Amino acid sequence: GAVVSQHPSRVICKSGTSVKIECRSLDFQATTMFWYRQFPKQSLMLMATSNEGSKATYEQGVEKDKFLINHASLTLSTLTVTSAHPEDSSFYICSARDWTDRNEKLFFGSGTQLSVL
Amino acid sequence: SQKIEQNSEALNIQEGKTATLTCNYTNYSPAYLQWYRQDPGRGPVFLLLIRENEKEKRKERLKVTFDTTLKQSLFHITASQPADSATYLCALGRRNQFYFGTGTSLTVIP
Repeated sequence: GAVVSQHPSRVICKSGTSVKIECRSLDFQATTMFWYRQFPKQSLMLMATSNEGSKATYEQGVEKDKFLINHASLTLSTLTVTSAHPEDSSFYICSARDWTDRNEKLFFGSGTQLSVL
Repeated sequence: SQKIEQNSEALNIQEGKTATLTCNYTNYSPAYLQWYRQDPGRGPVFLLLIRENEKEKRKERLKVTFDTTLKQSLFHITASQPADSATYLCALGRRNQFYFGTGTSLTVIP
């Protein structure tokens, strides 16, 4: 089946720095990727929908200037957490949909645990 | 906005029994409903999809039902095993929208 690769798996950074997370679809083209945030023992919260070649669509309450999304190619989307603060510490997960798969399922990356000191 | 709730945050059952998880939703009309499994520190993995015009789907020991009148889906794991212990998420979708439920943590006791 389709594979989504997400890097890094874990990052620790100082407050005020920016962190970039990459999400790649390895064996299929993903015109759309999704970025989620998950707090411990809570469900996935959709942050934004990333569209190849156009601006991302952000969910209500998610700051677009804080969470920069770039989807420059059909296989790569990046999420940059700018000027990170401790409250940004969370588990970030990307996902993509293989449109050739009629099951319409999402393939998820393995997630990135961000810890901001 | 849509609201998706799953039964009890945690569910403990004895090995060999059938686990039943529920997913209730409001303010949304999904074209399909999916169930995912998530292990700690990992991304969710797709298990089953059921469409709005389907009543039931089966896959090995898994069974999903979908009642669009009640706005509810039931997810059953028969002959449960300790390896089934994980968090299970339901997700509702229509076109390019996906929204996840709160998740249920299942523990199968040997």
